[in-house]
Amino acid sequence: SYELTQPLSVSVALGQTARITCGGNNIGSKNVHWYQQKPGQAPVLVIYRDSYRTSGIPERFSGSNSGNTATLTISRAQAGDEADYYCQVWDTSPVLFGGGTKLTVL
Amino acid sequence: QVQLVQSGAEVKKPGASVKVSCKASRYTFIDYYIHWVRQAPGQGFEWMGRINPHSGGTNYAQNFQGRVTMTRETSISTAYMELTRLTSDDTAVYYCAREVGITVWFDTWGQGTLVTVSS
Repeated sequence: SYELTQPLSVSVALGQTARITCGGNNIGSKNVHWYQQKPGQAPVLVIYRDSYRTSGIPERFSGSNSGNTATLTISRAQAGDEADYYCQVWDTSPVLFGGGTKLTVL
Repeated sequence: QVQLVQSGAEVKKPGASVKVSCKASRYTFIDYYIHWVRQAPGQGFEWMGRINPHSGGTNYAQNFQGRVTMTRETSISTAYMELTRLTSDDTAVYYCAREVGITVWFDTWGQGTLVTVSS
């Protein structure tokens, strides 16, 4: 069965760029979607179809997808970006999620 | 804006069943699939299945086949998820989410319902 692999944690200095990866076999052939989840809250859609930003999400958030890796990039990281981030794909039923990455802003 | 509001927290004993509701508002309920996803404490997301509110048709994840039933009541724009034969491993926050897009993503989530299974 298809699997999505994310790093458990990523750290970034305040104001720098964070990159969160989502690995999968030929994931570039699929559409990848990204969610942000803060403690005690429901997930929020950040990026859909690899690189489209949801309304209300800052332009600092961007996505890309090629080969075996999709990437969520957060530029000029802020303290408010600290959260868990999950990638997701649709693999002709089921829906699959990556294991999640905890982003820490130092 | 579009909203999904779920029922409140539940505490159940092992072997019991739980039914969680998800009320949709500010959009046409029958036009969008509703999915159910759960998150065990400190863990990631596990997809449980989806329902087509228009037809009532369902797709269930293999892990839950035989234990989960998803239904809807269109007159009140509400979807339901019932899980039977609960064990402690079913302790989790259960979310409903609205599907959009041909490659299936979720633009709106419910607030989550904590189900605790404990003797």
